[in-house]
Amino acid sequence: QQQVKQSPQSLIVQKGGISIINCAYENTAFDYFPWYQQFPGKGPALLIAIRPDVSEKKEGRFTISFNKSAKQFSLHIMDSQPGDSATYFCAASMGGSYIPTFGRGTSLIVHP
Amino acid sequence: GAVVSQHPSWVICKSGTSVKIECRSLDFQATTMFWYRQFPKQSLMLMATSNEGSKATYEQGVEKDKFLINHASLTLSTLTVTSAHPEDSSFYICSARQGAATFFGQGTRLTVV
Repeated sequence: QQQVKQSPQSLIVQKGGISIINCAYENTAFDYFPWYQQFPGKGPALLIAIRPDVSEKKEGRFTISFNKSAKQFSLHIMDSQPGDSATYFCAASMGGSYIPTFGRGTSLIVHP
Repeated sequence: GAVVSQHPSWVICKSGTSVKIECRSLDFQATTMFWYRQFPKQSLMLMATSNEGSKATYEQGVEKDKFLINHASLTLSTLTVTSAHPEDSSFYICSARQGAATFFGQGTRLTVV
């Protein structure tokens, strides 16, 4: 049972474009939603995270949009750059243990 | 963000030997650390949750006698792969929890020959 569904599996964007990755969750007890960026051969790095009481959070070129009623959240990368080419994972966790449940990942390629 | 250091970044060992991987939280104390395994082009698979001063909690299907986890202090957790076999070759990643956030180490590429 996949509790966090992520799409698309892969994404190709031109430099300067907007990259959008979507995630949906089932468990309404989740209360913390982080996004991670992973380069080949490296561990994931925490990019940005949001709580369900906020509909949007922006940090630099990265924005999370959160729709609590639809149980969906998405990552928007504005002005995408070749250096953004990586695998992105959404995750969800709940209070107590805060063990992240990960999506399957999205491989992003930004063409110069 | 918080820094988690994992060592070594890669290791090659002979089949039948044991390998220890260290995970340290450098600038915060972590009562809870996690160990993951990641196969190529796949998501992270949680192996176990490590709590300081107590036994690790292993996920279903993970052999606790093969993957020994010790969380001896608030800044150090270790994973020992015992009697390693080629099928244990993988990318192992640790993480440490600070509040709601989880921060990852650099990962360890284990190759068993």
